[in-house]
Amino acid sequence: NAGVMQNPRHLVRRRGQEARLRCSPMKGHSHVYWYRQLPEEGLKFMVYLQKENIIDESGMPKERFSAEFPKEGPSILRIQQVVRGDSAAYFCASSPQGVSTDTQYFGPGTRLTVL
Amino acid sequence: GESVGLHLPTLSVQEGDNSIINCAYSNSASDYFIWYKQESGKGPQFIIDIRSNMDKRQGQRVTVLLNKTVKHLSLQIAATQPGDSAVYFCADLNQAGTALIFGKGTTLSVSS
Repeated sequence: NAGVMQNPRHLVRRRGQEARLRCSPMKGHSHVYWYRQLPEEGLKFMVYLQKENIIDESGMPKERFSAEFPKEGPSILRIQQVVRGDSAAYFCASSPQGVSTDTQYFGPGTRLTVL
Repeated sequence: GESVGLHLPTLSVQEGDNSIINCAYSNSASDYFIWYKQESGKGPQFIIDIRSNMDKRQGQRVTVLLNKTVKHLSLQIAATQPGDSAVYFCADLNQAGTALIFGKGTTLSVSS
């Protein structure tokens, strides 16, 4: 049973480019969460999605960031016009039901470096 | 407000010792707590969780204790091994119950 998959594992972008991060949840999980981790810090919640719906995006920056979880395919976190401050590790987690009832399992992360 | 934090940023122990990692939380309404382990370059790995209707929960070599009176959570690791070296995070739910709030982490270093 494969765990949460994320790709790419490492992504390098120049300022102003777009970054697309993909997350495939564990089999049978329909809830996906994105977190961001800056060096030497804990994870910060960004967005919570269920198939085709955004449930909570209170942690997402208002501009340049968007997320989706289509009916078919992986969840995508998209960062437009990246800036150096976007450099971080981005983790995806999934759970069968919501986090209040089920454990979240994390993927290996995508490490974004903005030059 | 919602916040989860850890008392010490680093903890160094000898192999075979018992380790205790502490965490304080501020939201008295929190009812679900989780401990994660994160090794360098990897994602957080679930260790153990506890709900507020319990004071203690045991897993394999790990025990979580919850003291709701002082809003304190601890993770005890028995017979610590070099493979336990990692950053340990406690987390609880946000008020909406939709996401986890993580503390900054304690780096556990185990020497042989």
